[in-house]
Amino acid sequence: QITLKESGPTLVKPTQTLTLTCTFSGFSLSTSGVGVGWIRQPPGKALEWLALIYWDDDKRYSPSLKSRLTITKDTSKNQVVLTMTNMDPVDTATYYCAHSIPFSSWGQGTLVTVSS
Amino acid sequence: QSALTQPASVSGSPGQSITISCTGTSSDVGGYNYVSWYQQHPGKAPKLMIYEVSNRPSGVSNRFSGSKSGNTASLTISGLQAEDEADYYCSSYTSSSTLFGGGTKLTVL
Repeated sequence: QITLKESGPTLVKPTQTLTLTCTFSGFSLSTSGVGVGWIRQPPGKALEWLALIYWDDDKRYSPSLKSRLTITKDTSKNQVVLTMTNMDPVDTATYYCAHSIPFSSWGQGTLVTVSS
Repeated sequence: QSALTQPASVSGSPGQSITISCTGTSSDVGGYNYVSWYQQHPGKAPKLMIYEVSNRPSGVSNRFSGSKSGNTASLTISGLQAEDEADYYCSSYTSSSTLFGGGTKLTVL
């Protein structure tokens, strides 16, 4: 059974850097073809894909947010970390991590509020 | 890259069939057979319903089906049930990124 869980701060101030951790089980990020992605959803709005990291450390980023995002993995800990710099109130959203492409399994999501 | 285009809302009565469209371009929907559909109930994480245009994951009802023609993909739900009322999102995977649609709210009347 595949499970994923997001963790990180629930409140960040504008201009700060957000660091979110996705801890997963039921699969290995060293297995060929496997990836973990991050997706966010502002309250009442649509899903937005952010980033994806593959088993071979290949990384993909949303073109509109690429300059602010970094995705890394720690295979030994079964974790994927997403950092987003220069946070703004418009970045307030529920942040999800999900297994592979397609996104077949999702974490429960974590709501991050950006406010001073 | 712009989000994929979906109708904001659709509705149908129990037992009926509905179709949700998802329009992209030849660089995403039309260029790859990597269209997925997700169902999201309020306050819940999305759930994969269709992948690679028309494939259903294990456990998903066969009332859900997907297709594609040109730059437009479609999700059809037959025999509508009250539990199908939710938001539905399409997604297209390209060689460099992933796009989501703006979402469609399905109301079961």
